[in-house]
Amino acid sequence: KQEVTQIPAALSVPEGENLVLNCSFTDSAIYNLQWFRQDPGKGLTSLLLIQSSQREQTSGRLNASLDKSSGRSTLYIAASQPGDSATYLCAVTPISSGSARQLTFGSGTQLTVLP
Amino acid sequence: DGGITQSPKYLFRKEGQNVTLSCEQNLNHDAMYWYRQDPGQGLRLIYYSQIVNDFQKGDIAEGYSVSREKKESFPLTVTSAQKNPTAFYLCASSTLSGVGELFFGEGSRLTVL
Repeated sequence: KQEVTQIPAALSVPEGENLVLNCSFTDSAIYNLQWFRQDPGKGLTSLLLIQSSQREQTSGRLNASLDKSSGRSTLYIAASQPGDSATYLCAVTPISSGSARQLTFGSGTQLTVLP
Repeated sequence: DGGITQSPKYLFRKEGQNVTLSCEQNLNHDAMYWYRQDPGQGLRLIYYSQIVNDFQKGDIAEGYSVSREKKESFPLTVTSAQKNPTAFYLCASSTLSGVGELFFGEGSRLTVL
């Protein structure tokens, strides 16, 4: 059974720092991996989607990488801002179905960027 | 603007009562999903539907029921059989071809008194 782990569970950094969030998964047979952002009491917003054939995706100050062989993904946030404070979750889709219904989510990293 | 609307945002229920959470989308997505989120945990799939009048159980379907009478709507009923219903419930949708990319609603927080 696929398991997704995100360490650390919480992270605090001063404004302006570059930071890396980690996501690991136990089964490398994935279709894709997604990073989401969740603000307190809100739904999830998709940030980046990496297909299994890709190594990375970029959107603005965000860069996500994928290493299927080692079962790891990282989300790099450049020049962090207080507005980046949120919980970041990663989720993988198994290659067996390629369907969103079988996404496995990590429990998230709660990021606080201090002004 | 296209999106997913969940209501109510907050709901309180007495033990033994059924409650229904609403989810409506105007994204013209075929697939819709219900997830449950507990503090410090990832999302767990309750039910999903890929077409009108058809739906499948997810990992934690016991104590829940759904219907899909219209493409735009996928309501979730939390029944009295659900032993621990206090949680944050999230509805999501996706195209069938856009594999894996989910769009989420703002969530509904259910508290059992």
